[in-house]
Amino acid sequence: GESVGLHLPTLSVQEGDNSIINCAYSNSASDYFIWYKQESGKGPQFIIDIRSNMDKRQGQRVTVLLNKTVKHLSLQIAATQPGDSAVYFCAEANQAGTALIFGKGTTLSVSS
Amino acid sequence: EAQVTQNPRYLITVTGKKLTVTCSQNMNHEYMSWYRQDPGLGLRQIYYSMNVEVTDKGDVPEGYKVSRKEKRNFPLILESPSPNQTSLYFCASSLGDTGTDTQYFGPGTRLTVL
Repeated sequence: GESVGLHLPTLSVQEGDNSIINCAYSNSASDYFIWYKQESGKGPQFIIDIRSNMDKRQGQRVTVLLNKTVKHLSLQIAATQPGDSAVYFCAEANQAGTALIFGKGTTLSVSS
Repeated sequence: EAQVTQNPRYLITVTGKKLTVTCSQNMNHEYMSWYRQDPGLGLRQIYYSMNVEVTDKGDVPEGYKVSRKEKRNFPLILESPSPNQTSLYFCASSLGDTGTDTQYFGPGTRLTVL
C-alpha cells in the first residue's frame, strides 16, 4: 500500500545550524511532493513543493531535494531559528491522483 | 485575507449526539478535503470533494458524512459520534480539482466525544 515515512521522529539542532529532515516514499509513480510545517495548536502550513520532473527546488532558507532512484525526499533549512521549531510533514500524491498521503512527522527542536 | 475557516474550534459532546463541523474557504478553490490527526497516525483523509456536488471517500470515512452544495463550504457531519472519533480535525482546500496540489489547511477543530 501507499505510505510515506520519515527517518527520524525528532531532530534537535542549535540555532544557526542547518537542519535536514528526511522522508522516504513508496509510490514510485507519484509526481508531486510537498512539505508542511505544523506549529503547536495550528493547522499545517505549506513550506515548499516539488514536481517529479525536478531534483531540487529552493525557497527562502529552505530547499527540497528529490531522489527518485531511491524514493527519498529531504527538506533542508538553512540557519535554523527558534521559530522553525515545529512538526514537519512530507506528503506525496496518491496513486489515484486524488489526494495527498502524509508521513507521520518529524519534530524539530531548535535551541538557542 | 485568503483562508480556510472551521467552526467550532473546540467541541466536547456525548456519544450519539449528531454534530456538524463547518468548513469554508474564500479562495474559490475547487478541491476540499477533511482529515483527522491522531498521535502516531499522522494526517488521514476522511472525505474529499473535487467540485460542487462531487464527494468521495478517503482512507477513513466510516462514521462521517459530508456535503458540497456550494463551492466554498464543505461541512463534516457526524450522525452518531463515538469516542473513537475523538480527534483533531482539519479541513483543507486547493485550487485545482485533483487534490494533488498545494492544499491549504484550516486551524483545526478539536473534538472530544465522551
